[in-house]
This record gives sequence, structure tokens and C-alpha cells, in this order.
Amino acid sequence: DTEVTQTPKHLVMGMTNKKSLKCEQHMGHRAMYWYKQKAKKPPELMFVYSYEKLSINESVPSRFSPECPNSSLLNLHLHALQPEDSALYLCASSRGPNEKLFFGSGTQLSVL
Amino acid sequence: AQTVTQSQPEMSVQEAETVTLSCTYDTSESDYYLFWYKQPPSRQMILVIRQEAYKQQNATENRFSVNFQKAAKSFSLKISDSQLGDAAMYFCACNDMRFGAGTRLTVKP
Repeated sequence: DTEVTQTPKHLVMGMTNKKSLKCEQHMGHRAMYWYKQKAKKPPELMFVYSYEKLSINESVPSRFSPECPNSSLLNLHLHALQPEDSALYLCASSRGPNEKLFFGSGTQLSVL
Repeated sequence: AQTVTQSQPEMSVQEAETVTLSCTYDTSESDYYLFWYKQPPSRQMILVIRQEAYKQQNATENRFSVNFQKAAKSFSLKISDSQLGDAAMYFCACNDMRFGAGTRLTVKP
């Protein structure tokens, strides 16, 4: 299994909603990543987990809350988002530092 | 910290021809890795090629090769015999998995 699975594929939420994005991999990778990508822009790194511990937080607003319950699963909890948070959210994993990233197909998020 | 710069927002190539995409980088690391990723219209990011900085030999993957100039901190991607399926956004990245601005490649039939 060489896949990174992201659910849901599409999400529409209001500014007062709470929702979660889910990312799963079964490749035994020990690093997992969240990226945010706006249209016609590169993916922007948000968070990195290494061995289930948060190692990088790119000064992301607290309305985004990552969680890594185990080595296979990565969540991104969303609360009180703004319309400008609408974007494609990509999850990736790798065996470790300096190794190739395997990407999921993303969650397209729309905040109304 | 590392920075990656892609100075070509768009490039175009005729099918079966060769095209080179540019990337420069800056890092204080002595040992590092460089990557090219491709994002087609499906938006599924995939690795094209990876170069280890301590290796002098340029990496090659079938029709894709790099020209790695360590002293110049340059890491360009050469695509030979371009195919319609090569049309995509191409991003380069260093160790820290932060991407350059990207180059949109169009392949003309």
C-alpha cells in the first residue's frame, strides 16, 4: 500500500462550524505533513509531525489544530475558520527527513 | 532556514522536444537533498526526481534529469522527449519540504 488517503475530498463549512480533516497512511512512515494550497500557488507548509510529535508549526492560526493519534493517522481540526481559509489541504508522509513525500489527493475546503 | 527560487512562472515546449526548468536555492546545511515535484491538473503531487547534494553525479529518472551545480546553488530539471502528460506545475524543494513558487509547463502537440 503506497497511498496516502485523505477524507473528505470536499468540505463546505460555515464560519461557526467545527470540522476535521483526516489523513491516513499504512506505509510505516514516521513523518507526516499538512500543507495548504491556494489556487495557482505552491503548497504552503503548515505542520510537520515526526514520530507522532509536532516538530514544525509554521505560525499557523490556532483555529487550525493538528493531531497525530498514532503513527498512521493525522487529523486537522478546524474551528471558526474564515473565508480566506478556503483552499486545498494536502497531507503528505515520508519515511523520515530528506525522504520523498507521498501526497494524498487533498481536501478542497470552502468556508462560507 | 532554506529558500528556493523558481524564476520561470511559465514555460512551453513542443511535444518530443527538450525543456529545462530552473531552480536556485540557498541553504546553510552542509548535507541536503533537493527535489522536483510535479502537480498535474488532477492536483496529485508526485515526486519527479531527488538529488543528494553530496553526490556529484546528476540524478536521472528516464526522461527526467537534473543539472546540479552545487557551487552556483542551482538545480535545474531537464525533460527530454516531452509528452503531453508532462503538462503540469513543477515545484522544486530542499530538505525542509518548502516549495518554490512553481513553473507551469505547457506541452504543445
